[in-house]
Amino acid sequence: DIQMTQSPSTLSASVGDRVIITCRASQSFTRWLAWYQQKPGKAPKLLIHKASSLESGVPSRFSGSGSGTEFTLTISSLQPDDFATYYCQQYYSSPYTFGQGTKLEIK
Amino acid sequence: EVQLLESGGGLVQPGGSLRLSCAASGFTFRNYAMSWVRQAPGKGLEFISGISGSAGSTYYTDSVKVRFTISRDNSKNTLYLQIDSLRAEDTAVYYCAKTRRVAGTWGGDAFDVWGQGTMVTVSS
Repeated sequence: DIQMTQSPSTLSASVGDRVIITCRASQSFTRWLAWYQQKPGKAPKLLIHKASSLESGVPSRFSGSGSGTEFTLTISSLQPDDFATYYCQQYYSSPYTFGQGTKLEIK
Repeated sequence: EVQLLESGGGLVQPGGSLRLSCAASGFTFRNYAMSWVRQAPGKGLEFISGISGSAGSTYYTDSVKVRFTISRDNSKNTLYLQIDSLRAEDTAVYYCAKTRRVAGTWGGDAFDVWGQGTMVTVSS
């Protein structure tokens, strides 16, 4: 199985900050990586697919990059609605595996 | 509007069974692979099973193989998960999720639509 490790596990930031969340894979693969946002008590929401493709309706302050074993999610200017938990997921190889999550908190 | 609505969760004793359902609407259900993802209380997301649009191919993670059965009824636009021999560690919110693009296999893309989840609690 491909192990996905996110860093940091928790991130404290302020509205307007630029934040970067990293996802590292135990094996190299091409761009079959997604990022999801989850708020408490809610289902995950797809933000980014194929490592850098923005899902329809997602604000352009979200962006993704990377390939191989290192991928990043960047939020260019944090908004109050962005405080949530973020997960990466690889869909290159079964079983599709998620990172452990990064909780983005208000500083 | 594209929508998924799960049902069938509840409190069940260890060793018991449940059948979860996921009713789909707003898209051509038979064209899309579907999956189940679960989340234990306070924990992260775990992909557990997927099924192709035609139901011709399925996938299970090792942790649920043998005990879980995924199926679908395309005439009813409904996805199912039969869960047998339930264990305490199966306690979780179970989400159904739609694969983003049309494909012939059980997976191959990210999950673009999720249901609201149904809670399964295994306890005596």
